[in-house]
Amino acid sequence: EVVLTQSPATLSLSPGERATLSCRASQSVRHYLAWYQHKPGQAPRLLIFDASNRAPGIPARFSASGSGTDFTLTISSLEPEDVAVYYCQERDNWPPRWSFGQGTKVEIK
Amino acid sequence: QVQLVQSGADVKKPGASVRVSCKTSGYSFTGYYLHWVRQAPGHGLEWMGWLNPINGATHYAQMFQGRVTMTGDTSISTGYMDLSGLTSDDTAVYHCARSTTVTTHFDHWGQGTQVTVSS
Repeated sequence: EVVLTQSPATLSLSPGERATLSCRASQSVRHYLAWYQHKPGQAPRLLIFDASNRAPGIPARFSASGSGTDFTLTISSLEPEDVAVYYCQERDNWPPRWSFGQGTKVEIK
Repeated sequence: QVQLVQSGADVKKPGASVRVSCKTSGYSFTGYYLHWVRQAPGHGLEWMGWLNPINGATHYAQMFQGRVTMTGDTSISTGYMDLSGLTSDDTAVYHCARSTTVTTHFDHWGQGTQVTVSS
């Protein structure tokens, strides 16, 4: 069973700064990793799928990279509306099981 | 456009069961898996299981096996999640979400349903 570990737990930055979020898998998930943005009272929003592909409508300031066990989500220039919790997510092949990391909370200073 | 619209908030007593519905539109209900994900207060997202609406096949996360049942009504493009033996630990927002049968991510989500378990 794959375990996803995200770091840091909280990231506090000023507007315009670069945010770098990490997700580490306990075993290789190849490139099958997604990132979501979750704001209170809203549905989670898919940002990135297959490790580095932006979902439709996602601003270009969001980018991601990685493969195997180490993945990174980058927000190039933080905007106030980016305040949220960010989750990484993977799927095990068999048994078919989806799992999330514990989340990184992004705050504005 | 793709929409997943869930039923409203519910309050249940310990030991009771709850049903949450997820009405879909804008896509072929039988062409995608339907998943359920919950978030308890102070916790992260937790995957509960999935339903393949075309044949009713399901797979549940181990911690919910024996308590959860996921079904679908193809005639009205609606999925259901039944959870029994409720405790206060089941107080959470429950989301439905879809994935394709080959991809590994959730591209559209329902708005969430608050379920509160309280005596």
